[in-house]
Amino acid sequence: DVKVTQSSRYLVKRTGEKVFLECVQDMDHENMFWYRQDPGLGLRLIYFSYDVKMKEKGDIPEGYSVSREKKERFSLILESASTNQTSMYLCASSFPTDTANTGELFFGEGSRLTVL
Amino acid sequence: AQTVTQSQPEMSVQEAETVTLSCTYDTSESDYYLFWYKQPPSRQMILVIRQEAYKQQNATENRFSVNFQKAAKSFSLKISDSQLGDAAMYFCAYRDLYNFNKFYFGSGTKLNVKP
Repeated sequence: DVKVTQSSRYLVKRTGEKVFLECVQDMDHENMFWYRQDPGLGLRLIYFSYDVKMKEKGDIPEGYSVSREKKERFSLILESASTNQTSMYLCASSFPTDTANTGELFFGEGSRLTVL
Repeated sequence: AQTVTQSQPEMSVQEAETVTLSCTYDTSESDYYLFWYKQPPSRQMILVIRQEAYKQQNATENRFSVNFQKAAKSFSLKISDSQLGDAAMYFCAYRDLYNFNKFYFGSGTKLNVKP
């Protein structure tokens, strides 16, 4: 089974702190994603990566950056955490889409971040 | 941009009964994928069922089935013989055929299952 592991389930940080959220997948997926989940808003894409050292902005990249130094690991970085970044963060991965697969997303358990 | 709408923020069903969750979407594409994802409380989101737009036959996975109405841009999920373990948030999602990064999610429907 595909396993996507997020390093922290719950974090509490202070405004202005630098925050690292780590995600590791074990299925050799090329694509990795960071989503933010807020009640009533569904999932919104922050950043995605389709290869090592490759990244592209999603719909809400402001205040975030990412790093992908190894294929299996995709990190989300909040350079200076703010209270409006309090949220649930979901990491996901997928194979590239082709005729053999639909590119479905495999998710981690999520990291709930509270910024005080 | 494509939009996905789930008009039912919360629903309840009695154990062993059938419930239908609604989803509509807006797109100008003719080929795409549709998904239902389930997110149990404090657990990871998992795929329930998928539908390729070019397939007219509705997808079925055990107790889960969809009613895909392409012309109406509707993609509802039917859960038969509801079980306590079905209680979760359910998200409808749309993806363009060729843009792997472009998933559009609805706002979710919370399903409660009453014993």
